[in-house]
Amino acid sequence: GAVVSQHPSWVICKSGTSVKIECRSLDFQATTMFWYRQFPKQSLMLMATSNEGSKATYEQGVEKDKFLINHASLTLSTLTVTSAHPEDSSFYICSAPNLAGFSYEQYFGPGTRLTVT
Amino acid sequence: AQSVTQLDSHVSVSEGTPVLLRCNYSSSYSPSLFWYVQHPNKGLQLLLKYTSAATLVKGINGFEAEFKKSETSFHLTKPSAHMSDAAEYFCVVSDHSGGGADGLTFGKGTHLIIQP
Repeated sequence: GAVVSQHPSWVICKSGTSVKIECRSLDFQATTMFWYRQFPKQSLMLMATSNEGSKATYEQGVEKDKFLINHASLTLSTLTVTSAHPEDSSFYICSAPNLAGFSYEQYFGPGTRLTVT
Repeated sequence: AQSVTQLDSHVSVSEGTPVLLRCNYSSSYSPSLFWYVQHPNKGLQLLLKYTSAATLVKGINGFEAEFKKSETSFHLTKPSAHMSDAAEYFCVVSDHSGGGADGLTFGKGTHLIIQP
């Protein structure tokens, strides 16, 4: 089946620094990828839709200047958390739909746990 | 607009007994519905999906779900629980209003506990 990877799997950073998280589709091309965040013992919340070659679209309440998304190729999207603060500590998960066959199935990365100290 | 309601935040069953995890949805379009499982410190795994074909959907690990449009429900069942089924389960909806590549709407999750 389709595989999506994320790097790093976990990261600890100091308050005020920026952190970049990568999401890769390993065996299929993804013109669209999605970024979610999950707080401890809570559900996943869609943050933004990453579009290859164009600007990302953000969900209401998500600061686009804080969560920078770049989708420079058909297999890679990056999420940069700028000027991170402790409240940004969360589990960030990306997904990519494999539209071959129009199965509407999305494949999820394993997630990146961000801790801001 | 779409939404998902998982009716139970926690479900506890004994090993070998049936499992029922309840989910109701709301969608403006003909939805696709999914159940995902998340084991501790692991990524999301798709259990099964409904995409307007057969209303009774069979998934992995003995799970199945039935799409009932009249009740706007998509409950997940398994005849006999196994210890390895203990995990967080998410009911998810996509209404394809964006043409097929849409962000998913997750329910709040149901924590399944298996008693030995």
